[in-house]
Amino acid sequence: RKEVEQDPGPFNVPEGATVAFNCTYSNSASQSFFWYRQDCRKEPKLLMSVYSSGNEDGRFTAQLNRASQYISLLIRDSKLSDSATYLCVVNDFSGGYQKVTFGTGTKLQVIP
Amino acid sequence: EAQVTQNPRYLITVTGKKLTVTCSQNMNHEYMSWYRQDPGLGLRQIYYSMNVEVTDKGDVPEGYKVSRKEKRNFPLILESPSPNQTSLYFCASGRGGLGYTFGSGTRLTVV
Repeated sequence: RKEVEQDPGPFNVPEGATVAFNCTYSNSASQSFFWYRQDCRKEPKLLMSVYSSGNEDGRFTAQLNRASQYISLLIRDSKLSDSATYLCVVNDFSGGYQKVTFGTGTKLQVIP
Repeated sequence: EAQVTQNPRYLITVTGKKLTVTCSQNMNHEYMSWYRQDPGLGLRQIYYSMNVEVTDKGDVPEGYKVSRKEKRNFPLILESPSPNQTSLYFCASGRGGLGYTFGSGTRLTVV
């Protein structure tokens, strides 16, 4: 099983739609989680951290389910500018060792 | 402006010719890391550094070296590049649970 798994998509959705992505992780001791956005051939950019209680930033909502070991990202009222690849990131810290694992990304295409 | 600067942005080189990709950050971050990104494989960690003079291997360290003599700089060295190291490389810095800032990337082609 991969350490971090995402559905590669693509998810093709019309403008204004709500879309959700999930990401599963294998290490139950993982400690911090993030969603990044990556545009084609550009660097990944931090979209939001993911907290156990869930967190919202405008049209974006992130959730963490530790029991089932997945994180999710919900995008409401999709815009054309939301078209990108969304990467989930899992951090493991243990005894001074930090492991950062990226999912392979989920591609979103918002269609006019 | 807080940033991570990588150079060069594009590089074409020949097999076996040593090269260095530089990475510098101005945010006083202790943690820095190098990744390569290949189609279908996502971002894979090459090496990371928790602080000055503290480095460790990531998932794909073979063929690469790093050094961390100063907090702000974390160069990636390819002693004898091979075609399978053709890839898009990213440097990143950050503070643990607060996320990471990436450089703009270096597109390397080894012929």
